[in-house]
Amino acid sequence: AQSVTQLGSHVSVSEGALVLLRCNYSSSVPPYLFWYVQYPNQGLQLLLKYTSAATLVKGINDFEAEFKKSETSFHLTKPSAHMSDAAEYFCAVSNGGSQGNLIFGKGTKLSVKP
Amino acid sequence: DSGVTQTPKHLITATGQRVTLRCSPRSGDLSVYWYQQSLDQGLQFLIQYYNGEERAKGNILERFSAQQFPDLHSELNLSSLELGDSALYFCASSAGGNSPLHFGNGTRLTVT
Repeated sequence: AQSVTQLGSHVSVSEGALVLLRCNYSSSVPPYLFWYVQYPNQGLQLLLKYTSAATLVKGINDFEAEFKKSETSFHLTKPSAHMSDAAEYFCAVSNGGSQGNLIFGKGTKLSVKP
Repeated sequence: DSGVTQTPKHLITATGQRVTLRCSPRSGDLSVYWYQQSLDQGLQFLIQYYNGEERAKGNILERFSAQQFPDLHSELNLSSLELGDSALYFCASSAGGNSPLHFGNGTRLTVT
């Protein structure tokens, strides 16, 4: 069965610092992996997705994630945090190959200090 | 703006009642998905419809049902409501295949 674990429910960084949000997955089939962002009182917005092409995936707003099969990880990074990056971030894995039927992690709330 | 419209934005009702949540997908999207987001369970997939037909079922309670109409809008019906049903209910749509999900802003349901 597929599952997702996000390490750290809260992460705080200073503006301009590196952002690293951790995600580990478990999947019995080659996975599709996703990162979504949720701003307050809004729905989820897709940041990036991995679908078995390049292992380094670039997304919107300078976010990127690297698929590491040996570590079953798909960590999200951004070189320099902006105040506007403060939000909740969700890692998700496809359930049975469907890109719509997703299993989400519990989420990581990112705070950015000035 | 994702193009997915959910109504109402907020709903407050009592235990034992029945409510209907409505979703209009993005223009041209044939697939509609319903998700529940609660503090204890997180984000959970409930059900998917594709062009009017049920395509996949997740952790959806028997008290809950959904349908997708010929104009592709969808409704999620929640009945015999319990306090634990209080949550944010999201609708998402996609064009199908490898297309990404586009989420609406959700309906916040409070059961008192």
